[in-house]
Amino acid sequence: DAGVTQSPTHLIKTRGQQVTLRCSPKSGHDTVSWYQQALGQGPQFIFQYYEEEERQRGNFPDRFSGHQFPNYSSELNVNALLLGDSALYLCASSLGEGQETQYFGPGTRLLVL
Amino acid sequence: GENVEQHPSTLSVQEGDSAVIKCTYSDSASNYFPWYKQELGKRPQLIIDIRSNVGEKKDQRIAVTLNKTAKHFSLHITETQPEDSAVYFCAASIDFGNEKLTFGTGTRLTIIP
Repeated sequence: DAGVTQSPTHLIKTRGQQVTLRCSPKSGHDTVSWYQQALGQGPQFIFQYYEEEERQRGNFPDRFSGHQFPNYSSELNVNALLLGDSALYLCASSLGEGQETQYFGPGTRLLVL
Repeated sequence: GENVEQHPSTLSVQEGDSAVIKCTYSDSASNYFPWYKQELGKRPQLIIDIRSNVGEKKDQRIAVTLNKTAKHFSLHITETQPEDSAVYFCAASIDFGNEKLTFGTGTRLTIIP
């Protein structure tokens, strides 16, 4: 039973560029949440996808957008990258109805130069 | 929105002693409280969680207590071992985790052999 997977593991971009991060949820899970974890901080909620729709959104600008595909995998897109976007981006999956546990992927470490 | 405060930020204990980490939350609607352990460079892993209809939950050397009136919950680790060294995050959620997780700022626990 595969756990949550994310790609790529590391990424280096320059300011102003765009980036796409990918997440495959744990087998049987239908809900994907994305979090940003700055160095030395707790994860901050970006948004959550369920049934291919954005169900919830945290306090992140519109530069952050996402998508969920019919197979429940998800993408996080960030446009016009800023230095402050450098962080570990974590994806978590869960079963949307009645099952609360969120399982995290290994994350993608993004460095913006 | 929900705010979760976590203390202490760092904690060192002798191997075999107990460790206690405390969190407070602001939103009385929160009803699900997971604890995650994050080792250096790795994904957050759920170690224990508690729902608001339960005051205490135990799993071997790990226990969590919840005081809904005071809006605080604590993680207790007994008989600490070197492999317990990691950063621990508390989190809170409404709708039993189907909503976003709001994380504390983390506690770096070091077990001294």
